[in-house]
Amino acid sequence: DGGITQSPKYLFRKEGQNVTLSCEQNLNHDAMYWYRQDPGQGLRLIYYSQIVNDFQKGDIAEGYSVSREKKESFPLTVTSAQKNPTAFYLCASATTSTFSTDTQYFGPGTRLTVL
Amino acid sequence: QKEVEQNSGPLSVPEGAIASLNCTYSDRGSQSFFWYRQYSGKSPELIMSIYSNGDKEDGRFTAQLNKASQYVSLLIRDSQPSDSATYLCAVKYGNKLVFGAGTILRVKS
Repeated sequence: DGGITQSPKYLFRKEGQNVTLSCEQNLNHDAMYWYRQDPGQGLRLIYYSQIVNDFQKGDIAEGYSVSREKKESFPLTVTSAQKNPTAFYLCASATTSTFSTDTQYFGPGTRLTVL
Repeated sequence: QKEVEQNSGPLSVPEGAIASLNCTYSDRGSQSFFWYRQYSGKSPELIMSIYSNGDKEDGRFTAQLNKASQYVSLLIRDSQPSDSATYLCAVKYGNKLVFGAGTILRVKS
């Protein structure tokens, strides 16, 4: 089955802890994205990567970090510097080409709660 | 600041009616537009994409794009209770998508 997987589905973090959210895709997509969704709000871009070993900050990168060592994987670390991390985290991937539509497809999400 | 605006709703329609969802965007240079459906507690799933002015139909769904007015809409014909969800409009700016906050649709049986 081709698709995007995220783990864990639910994650609980204590104050001051770093946690890492996993995102894996087997769609052979070049680009991967991390979004955060808060209740009643749209998706806000945290980080994105167009190619292995390269990534860019999105609109709300403070308190987060990422790596892109493999094409299939784009883990997100929520650090203790992120003051309000409780949210629904969504990973997406897309093909990249100058003339392509770059449609993004989403994984099932991870719901992070700070205790 | 690239913006995408949607009426938050809820939009309530009776079963079998046409639901009309609207979205406006701020940047005239945008070329790609997307509608996603998101059920409560789930991730967004793509319904349609549209790139040219006019209408694009896919089953019960029709996307309409008017670049001059910076307006994109989604029509759902013969609405079903299973269409009840939040509908997200997304506009591509460069390598990124900017999402609206979504419109809640409720289809009453």
